[in-house]
Amino acid sequence: GAVVSQHPSRVICKSGTSVKIECRSLDFQATTMFWYRQFPKQSLMLMATSNEGSKATYEQGVEKDKFLINHASLTLSTLTVTSAHPEDSSFYICSAPAPRGRTEAFFGQGTRLTVV
Amino acid sequence: QKEVEQDPGPLSVPEGAIVSLNCTYSNSAFQYFMWYRQYSRKGPELLMYTYSSGNKEDGRFTAQVDKSSKYISLFIRDSQPSDSATYLCAMSAAPGTASKLTFGTGTRLQVTL
Repeated sequence: GAVVSQHPSRVICKSGTSVKIECRSLDFQATTMFWYRQFPKQSLMLMATSNEGSKATYEQGVEKDKFLINHASLTLSTLTVTSAHPEDSSFYICSAPAPRGRTEAFFGQGTRLTVV
Repeated sequence: QKEVEQDPGPLSVPEGAIVSLNCTYSNSAFQYFMWYRQYSRKGPELLMYTYSSGNKEDGRFTAQVDKSSKYISLFIRDSQPSDSATYLCAMSAAPGTASKLTFGTGTRLQVTL
């Protein structure tokens, strides 16, 4: 089945530094990918939609300059958390819509970001 | 009011029990319904996918959709300790590759020996 790989699974960084998270579709092409944030015991909150070859679409309240998204190819989207602060600590998950016009999405393994 | 409501639990059941997980929603445009299982600190894994009203069975899992009541359910038969996880319902109004999913908050399930 379709697989989405997310890397790294866990990262600890110092306040003020930037962190890049990668999301790859391994056996299918994804012109669109989604980035979510999940707080403990809460559901997934969509942050932005990553579009291959064009600018990402951000949800209301998400800072574009803080969460930089690049979708450089049909199999790779990256999320860069810039100038990270402790309040950015969270679980970030990417997903890609299933191929061939299906509606469900496949998710990466998630990245646990801790900013100290 | 949230678009999708889901009891967060936790729900604790003994091994072998039948588990019923539910979501209600308010957006009548939703037509595509999914259940995801998420183990701690992992990404969600697709369990079931249904379109419109009706039932779908896959092994020990049965998904039900009642669009007239805006209510969906996931039943787990003969529950196992390995079923202990958070179960998220998700739904979408649009078909195809650009759809965005609306999630419930997830129900944490604990199956005890």
